[in-house]
Amino acid sequence: NAGVTQTPKFRVLKTGQSMTLLCAQDMNHEYMYWYRQDPGMGLRLIHYSVGEGTTAKGEVPDGYNVSRLKKQNFLLGLESAAPSQTSVYFCASSSPRYQQYFGPGTRLTVT
Amino acid sequence: QKEVEQDPGPLSVPEGAIVSLNCTYSNSAFQYFMWYRQYSRKGPELLMYTYSSGNKEDGRFTAQVDKSSKYISLFIRDSQPSDSATYLCAFNGNNRLAFGKGNQVVVIP
Repeated sequence: NAGVTQTPKFRVLKTGQSMTLLCAQDMNHEYMYWYRQDPGMGLRLIHYSVGEGTTAKGEVPDGYNVSRLKKQNFLLGLESAAPSQTSVYFCASSSPRYQQYFGPGTRLTVT
Repeated sequence: QKEVEQDPGPLSVPEGAIVSLNCTYSNSAFQYFMWYRQYSRKGPELLMYTYSSGNKEDGRFTAQVDKSSKYISLFIRDSQPSDSATYLCAFNGNNRLAFGKGNQVVVIP
């Protein structure tokens, strides 16, 4: 099993550009999550999903959109990137709820 | 009052020392208490979890929960350089986990 995978691993964007981060899991988990991790701020939840076709806002959802069209995939979109979105993005999945499995992360720089 | 408090200050210890980490929380609804370990440039991985007050041991690691004081701790005995990582406490609630900011631990050979 690959577990949780994330694409791409690194990306540099210019302000105003858009992009989509892809998360895939092969553990048949119902719940999936997107976090960002910044120095001194810890992990902050952006959006999450409790099942295929559902999404919900987390702690810091502004500037991001998500979609969960298939159970195994969870996409995070940035419509108009800003320097404040420079961060490391982690996807996670879980079932049962308390044990989340994390992907390796995507390092995004917005210039 | 913050939902989770974890002093993020880096901690350097000599090999073989005991590492002590702790977090406090304010949400009485939290039912599961977890510690995640995150190596540099990697995703967090679950290290230990428990759902009751008291101690839980797993090898060199002990997780301690005091629900009455809303306080959890992680102890690492006989610390090794391979234990050098960031340790995050986490608590469940409402389909999500609430994380502490993480403690960076460096074990010096």
